[in-house]
Amino acid sequence: DAKTTQPPSMDCAEGRAANLPCNHSTISGNEYVYWYRQIHSQGPQYIIHGLKNNETNEMASLIITEDRKSSTLILPHATLRDTAVYYCIVLPYSGGGADGLTFGKGTHLIIQP
Amino acid sequence: GAVVSQHPSWVICKSGTSVKIECRSLDFQATTMFWYRQFPKQSLMLMATSNEGSKATYEQGVEKDKFLINHASLTLSTLTVTSAHPEDSSFYICSATSGGGLSGNTIYFGEGSWLTVV
Repeated sequence: DAKTTQPPSMDCAEGRAANLPCNHSTISGNEYVYWYRQIHSQGPQYIIHGLKNNETNEMASLIITEDRKSSTLILPHATLRDTAVYYCIVLPYSGGGADGLTFGKGTHLIIQP
Repeated sequence: GAVVSQHPSWVICKSGTSVKIECRSLDFQATTMFWYRQFPKQSLMLMATSNEGSKATYEQGVEKDKFLINHASLTLSTLTVTSAHPEDSSFYICSATSGGGLSGNTIYFGEGSWLTVV
């Protein structure tokens, strides 16, 4: 699976958009970008995934660059409950169904009141 | 999203005893389940992968005789920590996927189970 690089931590003011970057320069054509987050002392929560088109759901938006070497997760109106570690994971088409997920260190997003 | 539930949420056991953690997929059939362990301030580490009706595949360094995994049905997997020791104290998390189609291949996680061995 391709390796991802994320900043270790970020701050964002409550009510503002939180933009979390992820570099995945070695991503291959059949690999998807998945985002999960882990709130302290809880299991990871699926957020969103995409291949090459931008995606949006009730939680967030995912913007993938045209060359697919990087992406940005956008939380449009961050709240204090969005404080968590966010993981960007690149997976083949199977979505990790066969091999599970490999977690890096992620980005610790802190929402400031 | 799909719901995966773990029980118990936390457990304290005496050193040398065994403890069982259950993982259930509540609204889908989980062909594959995964077990992770997470120590404080560290990331999740995959312990093993189990497919329904088959023996689990363990990651390197994980003792299969110590961490017994059973995936007897499409909605239930169990992790039994045998002869637990204080160093086994950790946050154990299960995840599951139905393995069917792209959305179905998304992996969903349980709430996690805190194990403290005293």
